[in-house]
Amino acid sequence: GAVVSQHPSRVICKSGTSVKIECRSLDFQATTMFWYRQFPKQSLMLMATSNEGSKATYEQGVEKDKFLINHASLTLSTLTVTSAHPEDSSFYICSARLLETQYFGPGTRLLVL
Amino acid sequence: QKEVEQDPGPLSVPEGAIVSLNCTYSNSAFQYFMWYRQYSRKGPELLMYTYSSGNKEDGRFTAQVDKSSKYISLFIRDSQPSDSATYLCAMSARTGFQKLVFGTGTRLLVSP
Repeated sequence: GAVVSQHPSRVICKSGTSVKIECRSLDFQATTMFWYRQFPKQSLMLMATSNEGSKATYEQGVEKDKFLINHASLTLSTLTVTSAHPEDSSFYICSARLLETQYFGPGTRLLVL
Repeated sequence: QKEVEQDPGPLSVPEGAIVSLNCTYSNSAFQYFMWYRQYSRKGPELLMYTYSSGNKEDGRFTAQVDKSSKYISLFIRDSQPSDSATYLCAMSARTGFQKLVFGTGTRLLVSP
């Protein structure tokens, strides 16, 4: 149980384009989902907390207009990287809250050329 | 000072060894403690979850929490090459959003 999926697993895009990443909780409902970013050999950096039916809460230093988060249902949250730049290239991981802990998706590797 | 401190390693051990991984923390409000395993280029996988102080055992894995010392440990018995991964500790206080605070992760290498 407690499976979280992400799509796509890898994406390459041109600078200036937008990319959408989906995060789904497959076997449970998650009122709260989280989006993280991870640079090579570094730990997870929380970007934002996404609550179903309300606006996301962004961590300090994360641009909400650049990283658009939508949590339209209890099993789906999306992260859209708008006007992507090469410095946005990273590993994006979502998690979904179940009771007192979080279950993570497999991650999406984004490469912006 | 970081809220959660974890030695990044790498920690290299031979197959069959007992592995000890540790984290220290400064926030006494933390009550929920987790250990995640992350293979290269994959998302973290929940290994152990404990509430408050005490021990918890699951197969070859044992998690210990000592809140008085603000110190948590993960022990791996009979380590296998497949255990080679990065191990992340994470913890949270009883907040509405359950914001996790992660350690930097310890890279473990188990050689055959």
